[in-house]
Amino acid sequence: QVQLVESGGDLVKPGGSLRLSCAASGFTFSNYYMSWIRQAPGMGLEWISYISGGSSDTKYGDSLTGRFTVSRDNAKRSLYLQINSLRVEDTAVYYCARDLGSGGGLDVWGQGTTVTVSS
Amino acid sequence: QTVVTQEPSLTVSPGGTVTLTCASSTGAVTSGYHPNWFQQKPGQAPRALIYSTNNKHSWTPARFSGSLLGGKAALTLSGVQPEDEAEYYCLIHVGDARVFGGGTKLTVL
Repeated sequence: QVQLVESGGDLVKPGGSLRLSCAASGFTFSNYYMSWIRQAPGMGLEWISYISGGSSDTKYGDSLTGRFTVSRDNAKRSLYLQINSLRVEDTAVYYCARDLGSGGGLDVWGQGTTVTVSS
Repeated sequence: QTVVTQEPSLTVSPGGTVTLTCASSTGAVTSGYHPNWFQQKPGQAPRALIYSTNNKHSWTPARFSGSLLGGKAALTLSGVQPEDEAEYYCLIHVGDARVFGGGTKLTVL
């Protein structure tokens, strides 16, 4: 079945960096756009970024460019999110989702990985 | 920067009908914004319900329907079940980006 599994979340100090991963299975990964979404504790969802199947097209949410970089390795069926200069306000559960765009939305989500930024 | 607004909370009786809405700070929400709806229960990842205004996923219960209503996107639950108690989020496409609403906490009481 279609499955997404995030990993890489950790407790990090402000100013640090982290790379999150999302392993895909059950579908032809390279054919699909993928998105990252986060949710701070007790808060709503925030869309972070998407990347096209061939990595040629990327987009980031408002105010999220610069510190966040999305990438993928289709041979490894994996999606990545690099976060630099981490801030306390980056503390959140980070989800990956398959992104079908207007043709299907964010149809399948992973279970999330937790990033905590604290000194 | 687009702000998407939802009712913070709504209450509905079991078996009743409730409509949640999703408004954009830039003006009327139209089909071109391809509104999506998601359900999230405590401790769980969000689950997709509706895409492109009114299209259901294969797993979406028939009692959920999407529409456009008075310049907003809308999610209507008919014949509400106790298990529908959850947070509901809309998402719209703004150009190439996606923007979530703040969520509606639906209580079934």
